[in-house]
Amino acid sequence: GAVVSQHPSRVICKSGTSVKIECRSLDFQATTMFWYRQFPKQSLMLMATSNEGSKATYEQGVEKDKFLINHASLTLSTLTVTSAHPEDSSFYICSASGTTYGYTFGSGTRLTVV
Amino acid sequence: DAKTTQPPSMDCAEGRAANLPCNHSTISGNEYVYWYRQIHSQGPQYIIHGLKNNETNEMASLIITEDRKSSTLILPHATLRDTAVYYCIVRVSSGGGADGLTFGKGTHLIIQP
Repeated sequence: GAVVSQHPSRVICKSGTSVKIECRSLDFQATTMFWYRQFPKQSLMLMATSNEGSKATYEQGVEKDKFLINHASLTLSTLTVTSAHPEDSSFYICSASGTTYGYTFGSGTRLTVV
Repeated sequence: DAKTTQPPSMDCAEGRAANLPCNHSTISGNEYVYWYRQIHSQGPQYIIHGLKNNETNEMASLIITEDRKSSTLILPHATLRDTAVYYCIVRVSSGGGADGLTFGKGTHLIIQP
């Protein structure tokens, strides 16, 4: 079946530093990938949509200069959280579109900013 | 996409069938009903989807009412590993698309030993 690999699964960084999260579709080509954020005891919230070779589309209220998204190939999208602050601590999940039944999700990245 | 309503939580005994309801009274004729689940600290997992006919796969069955205003996800023999938040999502298209999914609050299903 379709597999999306997301790394790292867990990261702790200092306030003010940047963190990169990778999302790879392992056995299919994903023309579109999505990034979600999930705070404790809340549901997933779509942050942005990235299409291979073009600029990402951000949801309202998501700072594009803070959450940099790159989708340079059909199998890789990255999310970089720049100048991270404690309020950016969250569970980040990517998803790829390109399978017959819709969307496949990565296993998520737990970001803790200290 | 049409809005869905699910109970916030449900309990089910291990080995019994778990029946999770979802209301989607404003569903349009071209919208599919999707079910995903999220086990704690993991990404969501696709379970099943359907348009108007009942569907069954190795994980679950999906029963959609004739008027399509509600559906029920059935896990026939629940195990402890089925404890998760289950999301019912209504959307156009049976495949992947250009739009992300809109997740509601889902139902937290707790399987009791």
